[in-house]
Amino acid sequence: NAGVMQNPRHLVRRRGQEARLRCSPMKGHSHVYWYRQLPEEGLKFMVYLQKENIIDESGMPKERFSAEFPKEGPSILRIQQVVRGDSAAYFCASSGSGSSLEQYFGPGTRLTVT
Amino acid sequence: DAKTTQPPSMDCAEGRAANLPCNHSTISGNEYVYWYRQIHSQGPQYIIHGLKNNETNEMASLIITEDRKSSTLILPHATLRDTAVYYCIVRVARGAQKLVFGQGTRLTINP
Repeated sequence: NAGVMQNPRHLVRRRGQEARLRCSPMKGHSHVYWYRQLPEEGLKFMVYLQKENIIDESGMPKERFSAEFPKEGPSILRIQQVVRGDSAAYFCASSGSGSSLEQYFGPGTRLTVT
Repeated sequence: DAKTTQPPSMDCAEGRAANLPCNHSTISGNEYVYWYRQIHSQGPQYIIHGLKNNETNEMASLIITEDRKSSTLILPHATLRDTAVYYCIVRVARGAQKLVFGQGTRLTINP
């Protein structure tokens, strides 16, 4: 059973460009979470999605950031007009439904804005 | 979710048991204790969780005090690969929801 997959693993963007980060949850998981880890800082929750729905986006910056989890395909975290402060590791996690709520994390995407 | 307190760092000799404490004095009756770890630059890894009984799996044991105000994660025979930041998280189990990570404990296993 493949784990959570994220791509690309490394992404370099110039200031002002767009960054698209993809996350494929574990097979059978319908809940996806995005977390961000700034250099030398802890993990911070950004957004929680189920298929086609955003459930909790309380950690998402109000501008330039958006997320989706379409009926078919991976979840996408999109950052428009990137700035240097967006440089970070972005981790995706997934969980199933029911009482087993452990979240399983992907390897992360390291975004560098030059 | 209740707040947790962990020591910022700990050392342990390879082959010995590593005991990582966590205080969660404001934990509610319906909140579970979860442990994750993050090995350098990798995605966090789920370790174990429990409500009030002690739990054991292939990775670790979780000991929760009777009053549930603190817990200890035990890695019975620590190896160099167990060097990581360990996070203790308290959360309600019902309904999928976000994880709130604190600063965790940076555990260093020494040869």
